[in-house]
Amino acid sequence: ILNVEQSPQSLHVQEGDSTNFTCSFPSSNFYALHWYRWETAKSPEALFVMTLNGDEKKKGRISATLNTKEGYSYLYIKGSQPEDSATYLCAPSNTGNQFYFGTGTSLTVIP
Amino acid sequence: DTGVSQDPRHKITKRGQNVTFRCDPISEHNRLYWYRQTLGQGPEFLTYFQNEAQLEKSRLLSDRFSAERPKGSFSTLEIQRTEQGDSAMYLCASSPPTTLAYGYTFGSGTRLTVV
Repeated sequence: ILNVEQSPQSLHVQEGDSTNFTCSFPSSNFYALHWYRWETAKSPEALFVMTLNGDEKKKGRISATLNTKEGYSYLYIKGSQPEDSATYLCAPSNTGNQFYFGTGTSLTVIP
Repeated sequence: DTGVSQDPRHKITKRGQNVTFRCDPISEHNRLYWYRQTLGQGPEFLTYFQNEAQLEKSRLLSDRFSAERPKGSFSTLEIQRTEQGDSAMYLCASSPPTTLAYGYTFGSGTRLTVV
């Protein structure tokens, strides 16, 4: 079992603000890391799959970086919109078979 | 393909009863996963299948839990003699042979309440 920590636990921002979250995980035997967005009453949706140290991925206003040597990943949202309100989960794996989820960061964007 | 389907969406059962959930994955996906999420926690791995073979099972999973995937298509998760601590959201996900490109595709989950 991997010990995965996400911070902050929850966040309230004003529409238009930029924000970022952190995912920390053990740096040894890293295989891959997923980021998911989970909106209330919907299914978790995959945002990014990250594998290489130094990876940077971008999808619209959302981007993510990965540092496998120190065991962390950052998720950034630029110009937050109310539709970005969701719980953001990270899930690293050391084998590719099991992904271990953090408790998530709950984001609320206030119009 | 309409994605990953789970049935039922909600289940209320009395303590001690058996329950069974069903998951229909994306047809092209040969991997299928079961996760459980309790309040305030992230999804917790239960088990995964590659085709019909159950390849990994969490050590946290008691003997009351069993999962099957006959013919490598849909899967069922059965909980025998339910306890109040089994109340949770049970999530099913599927993926192609490698999760390096797309990650998991999740279903909407089955919320179990044991009273």
